[in-house]
Amino acid sequence: GQQVMQIPQYQHVQEGEDFTTYCNSSTTLSNIQWYKQRPGGHPVFLIQLVKSGEVKKQKRLTFQFGEAKKNSSLHITATQTTDVGTYFCAGKTSNTGKLIFGQGTTLQVKP
Amino acid sequence: DTAVSQTPKYLVTQMGNDKSIKCEQNLGHDTMYWYKQDSKKFLKIMFSYNNKELIINETVPNRFSPKSPDKAHLNLHINSLELGDSAVYFCASSPLGTGGTEAFFGQGTRLTVV
Repeated sequence: GQQVMQIPQYQHVQEGEDFTTYCNSSTTLSNIQWYKQRPGGHPVFLIQLVKSGEVKKQKRLTFQFGEAKKNSSLHITATQTTDVGTYFCAGKTSNTGKLIFGQGTTLQVKP
Repeated sequence: DTAVSQTPKYLVTQMGNDKSIKCEQNLGHDTMYWYKQDSKKFLKIMFSYNNKELIINETVPNRFSPKSPDKAHLNLHINSLELGDSAVYFCASSPLGTGGTEAFFGQGTRLTVV
């Protein structure tokens, strides 16, 4: 079945360092979404990418969708303690219509 | 006003009991979901309803039965609870079809089976 893999599972960084999480799908995606879940909280939508090769920015966050629409990345520049949480990618294929979540990357930021 | 609300937030119960979790959304969305998040934070889709109709039913034990009385509500009933059912259950909704646009999640229900 369709799988969405995300790496790394955990990342510890010093405040001010950059952070990247990668997402790979076993099948071509119609779109990919990114969510953030704070400790003890619920997933909150960050962004959706639809076009091949698309790049979107939200302040210090940069999101990319691969040319083949099978992979994506989230890059955070100069991390802050408020960035702590688990970041999930979620992919949707046009044939199944299901939103499949990656395993998530849990980011810890040391002040 | 909370967009997607679940009750209860915490549920502690003994093995073998039957319990229900309720979910309501006031966003006017057509699609609602149940996700299970295990201790490793993995979010697995369980069910999806579109306008009260079941459209996704993953490999979930028959002990789990969703019910959608109307498109604003999707409840989850669990029979004969087992230790392995302990997890956080999230209800979510989205406006267009199955995952067409962003999903709005409820606060989650932390179920502990003892």
